[in-house]
Amino acid sequence: QQQVKQSPQSLIVQKGGISIINCAYENTAFDYFPWYQQFPGKGPALLIAIRPDVSEKKEGRFTISFNKSAKQFSLHIMDSQPGDSATYFCAASPLGSRLTFGEGTQLTVNP
Amino acid sequence: GAVVSQHPSRVICKSGTSVKIECRSLDFQATTMFWYRQFPKQSLMLMATSNEGSKATYEQGVEKDKFLINHASLTLSTLTVTSAHPEDSSFYICSAVGTGDNYGYTFGSGTRLTVV
Repeated sequence: QQQVKQSPQSLIVQKGGISIINCAYENTAFDYFPWYQQFPGKGPALLIAIRPDVSEKKEGRFTISFNKSAKQFSLHIMDSQPGDSATYFCAASPLGSRLTFGEGTQLTVNP
Repeated sequence: GAVVSQHPSRVICKSGTSVKIECRSLDFQATTMFWYRQFPKQSLMLMATSNEGSKATYEQGVEKDKFLINHASLTLSTLTVTSAHPEDSSFYICSAVGTGDNYGYTFGSGTRLTVV
């Protein structure tokens, strides 16, 4: 019940394309859903996060779509750039409590 | 924004020695600190959770006598890997949660530990 399942494991997108990463969870106590970007040798950096009271949140080229009934949420990266090439992790938690991470998605954006 | 400073970024130590990793919250009070371990191409694995002034809570399978966590103040938490062995080589990351306006989880930049 604590799992967060993330897909795909790896993703290759052309520059300017849309990158879509999906996550699903089971624990209905989760009420905080962040996405993190991690470059090699660095700690994760928060990209964008959503609470379950909204279905979508957009910040620049990054959008989270949230489906509470399906217990799914996704990250859309519009106009993907080579600099977006990194590993992306979704996560979920009861707010302020331990985060449960997805398995990660290795995104490669080809120039 | 909130910043967590983690040091050292890289450390190489001999087998059998101990290594201390520090995480400091620079502009907020970290009431809770999470310590993670990450192997190459894998997700973050929570090792332990510590609250300021309390003993850390360790995840199942994590040896508390090997991975000593101290969270003596609201701005500093340390992880000491005692009697390190090559299998302890990994990427260690801390994450802090504050109070007040900052409910986000702020991650440190990670420490690459290599035990030779």
